[in-house]
Amino acid sequence: DQQVKQNSPSLSVQEGRISILNCDYTNSMFDYFLWYKKYPAEGPTFLISISSIKDKNEDGRFTVFLNKSAKHLSLHIVPSQPGDSAVYFCAASQGYGQNFVFGPGTRLSVLP
Amino acid sequence: DTAVSQTPKYLVTQMGNDKSIKCEQNLGHDTMYWYKQDSKKFLKIMFSYNNKELIINETVPNRFSPKSPDKAHLNLHINSLELGDSAVYFCASSQLDFSYEQYFGPGTRLTVT
Repeated sequence: DQQVKQNSPSLSVQEGRISILNCDYTNSMFDYFLWYKKYPAEGPTFLISISSIKDKNEDGRFTVFLNKSAKHLSLHIVPSQPGDSAVYFCAASQGYGQNFVFGPGTRLSVLP
Repeated sequence: DTAVSQTPKYLVTQMGNDKSIKCEQNLGHDTMYWYKQDSKKFLKIMFSYNNKELIINETVPNRFSPKSPDKAHLNLHINSLELGDSAVYFCASSQLDFSYEQYFGPGTRLTVT
């Protein structure tokens, strides 16, 4: 049972444009969400997080939006850079200090 | 200076063998984890250790056992390897239990033939 879904396995975007990565979840008890980025042959690295009390969190070029009613979150990268090319994992938990459930990832390619 | 390191990076072995994967972190973190990334690319937690105490075990087979000789190390021992154990295994650490900011190692690709 996939509680966290990333339905787009891959996404290609032109450099300088916006990248939008989507994530859907099924467990209404999830209230803490995060995004990790992974380069080939490396482990995932933490990117940004959001708790359910917010609907937006911004960190530089990265913004995460949360729509609790739709059980949907998205990661916006503006402007996209070639160095952003990586696999992005969405993850969710039922609160701080609880186990995270990861999605399968979306491979982002930013074309120069 | 690598924060979280794993050895070996690649491991090819036959069914029925026993193998270990080592993990070390030099961040002074209190909690360490093992994750398995399966063929469908899902990262699933297997174990976490806090101060030498197992605090979660996500119903993995008891052929898998974590061993923590000290706070900086969490090794993964696997007995009687099976074909389905083939996956990439990631070690991670965090300052607090299940902090969202976990630091991952580069992964160990295990192939069981």
